[in-house]
Amino acid sequence: DAGVTQSPTHLIKTRGQQVTLRCSPISGHKSVSWYQQVLGQGPQFIFQYYEKEERGRGNFPDRFSARQFPNYSSELNVNALLLGDSALYLCASSLVRGGGKNIQYFGAGTRLSVL
Amino acid sequence: AQTVTQSQPEMSVQEAETVTLSCTYDTSESDYYLFWYKQPPSRQMILVIRQEAYKQQNATENRFSVNFQKAAKSFSLKISDSQLGDAAMYFCAYRSDKETSGSRLTFGEGTQLTVNP
Repeated sequence: DAGVTQSPTHLIKTRGQQVTLRCSPISGHKSVSWYQQVLGQGPQFIFQYYEKEERGRGNFPDRFSARQFPNYSSELNVNALLLGDSALYLCASSLVRGGGKNIQYFGAGTRLSVL
Repeated sequence: AQTVTQSQPEMSVQEAETVTLSCTYDTSESDYYLFWYKQPPSRQMILVIRQEAYKQQNATENRFSVNFQKAAKSFSLKISDSQLGDAAMYFCAYRSDKETSGSRLTFGEGTQLTVNP
């Protein structure tokens, strides 16, 4: 069975541009969460989507947005890129929204470099 | 807000030896989950072990075990019989059991584990 897949694996953008990152969850998983991992730090929660609705948002500016499609795949959009947005963006999927049966499985991430 | 602290940025262990990674957390909640994730150079986060706060018994997964001290808000990971493949960044993470928190994980800063042959 395929795990969580993310595309692209690596992306280079310049300041002010916009970027879209994609995530396909494990088959049957309805929840997708996004995390930002700056080099040398632990991941920071950005969004959770469950059943195509936003169910949680971390402390990130409105330049960050996301959506979930009917097939439960998800896109993360970042507008007006800043140098500080350079990071590894991780997607995680889980079967349920939360609770004891919630175990998150991560993709390999998209490395975004902003020049 | 919950916080997770890993006070050991780097640790090293000899192959076949035992090593313990430390983690403390701060929360006012009584129901939550704690996790250890491993992140090798391939970047993919891999779940190592998890602990439910309501369980007094420490979780074990083969060579991996935890020492969960709820009152002290401590959650350490012990790796026995260390193998070269255990070398990675290890993250401690917290998740609330509140429905409004959903899947949100709060991570520590990580501990880089080196395994020496």
